[in-house]
Amino acid sequence: DAGVIQSPRHEVTEMGQEVTLRCKPISGHDYLFWYRQTMMRGLELLIYFNNNVPIDDSGMPEDRFSAKMPNASFSTLKIQPSEPRDSAVYFCASSVRDTQYFGPGTRLTVL
Amino acid sequence: EDKVVQSPLSLVVHEGDTVTLNCSYEVTNFRSLLWYKQEKKAPTFLFMLTSSGIEKKSGRLSSILDKKELFSILNITATQTGDSAIYLCAVPPPGTYKYIFGTGTRLKVLA
Repeated sequence: DAGVIQSPRHEVTEMGQEVTLRCKPISGHDYLFWYRQTMMRGLELLIYFNNNVPIDDSGMPEDRFSAKMPNASFSTLKIQPSEPRDSAVYFCASSVRDTQYFGPGTRLTVL
Repeated sequence: EDKVVQSPLSLVVHEGDTVTLNCSYEVTNFRSLLWYKQEKKAPTFLFMLTSSGIEKKSGRLSSILDKKELFSILNITATQTGDSAIYLCAVPPPGTYKYIFGTGTRLKVLA
């Protein structure tokens, strides 16, 4: 099994630009999670889906952030417009029940 | 408010030492606690604990849960430099998969 796949692995962009992060969960997993990790705030859950339906998006910091899961094998997290304070590592994870498996993350730098 | 607290925040030991990492939680209707190891990249799953007093073991790592006192410990015996990482614990609140992660314990093992 290839595990959770994320792309890109690194993204450097300028303030105001749109950023799209992508995730392919492990086949057969019905939960998908988007996390953000920073030194200051640790690992924060942004949103999670169950069977492609968003269940809880209360962790999404503001309207600039949006996430979609059009099918069971693909999800996107979009930031528009991006700001320097969005710089972080963004992880996607998938699970069946409680055990989550994390992707390698996308390191986002907004200049 | 549900919360997860880990201690110590950081720890430096020498190879061969034994370490004990702590995770305490305040979550109503507890159902599980998960331990993860995070090296340079994504968190990797170590253990899931659901029952009090039953030790989970994998090589030199072991973990146990005390549901009465609301904590779990992760033990690492005969530490090696490869054990250097951040160790995270996480608990899902009742009825959701909105995991609450502790801030982690940063372990450094010196040769």
